[in-house]
Amino acid sequence: TQLLEQSPQFLSIQEGENLTVYCNSSSVFSSLQWYRQEPGEGPVLLVTVVTGGEVKKLKRLTFQFGDARKDSSLHITAAQPGDTGLYLCAGASEETSGSRLTFGEGTQLTVNP
Amino acid sequence: EAGVAQSPRYKIIEKRQSVAFWCNPISGHATLYWYQQILGQGPKLLIQFQNNGVVDDSQLPKDRFSAERLKGVDSTLKIQPAKLEDSAVYLCASSLRGRGYNEQFFGPGTRLTVL
Repeated sequence: TQLLEQSPQFLSIQEGENLTVYCNSSSVFSSLQWYRQEPGEGPVLLVTVVTGGEVKKLKRLTFQFGDARKDSSLHITAAQPGDTGLYLCAGASEETSGSRLTFGEGTQLTVNP
Repeated sequence: EAGVAQSPRYKIIEKRQSVAFWCNPISGHATLYWYQQILGQGPKLLIQFQNNGVVDDSQLPKDRFSAERLKGVDSTLKIQPAKLEDSAVYLCASSLRGRGYNEQFFGPGTRLTVL
């Protein structure tokens, strides 16, 4: 069974601060995705990283895939209240019949104005 | 482009009752997923369909859960009988195809409360 551990589980910060969320596993994934989920809605894809060591930037968000494709991080610079939400990492494993996503438990981020 | 539609949005039932959820994926998406998301946890895959065939149902509690996608479009997920621990948000997602790192598009979910 593939497991993804996210840390921290909860994070409450002030507007303008920086933060990093971590996603770790003992398993290798073919790709890793980060989603953000707001209350009453389904998760929305932010980014997919595929290559070990890959870094992707999305405005103030920076995503990194570990060299061994077992871990990933999400860094937010100058957080804003609009960044509040549940951040989920999900690892994809290619199996015989299709692609399965294994989700982490999520990091609940609250950015206070 | 219309997103993934789910209904109902909320459902409250008593234990041992039956309940059914409906999902209409994005038009043209061959792959459909049902996830269970318990409060404070990430989504857990219950079942994956490719068109109208089941690709993965290894985590579906088959003694009480069932799902179908008869015409390869809409899908229903049923719980019979429900237990207290089934209280969760049931998310439906779809993707263009099953293989590769395809983006999964999620519906808003159905929040189930079992009393």
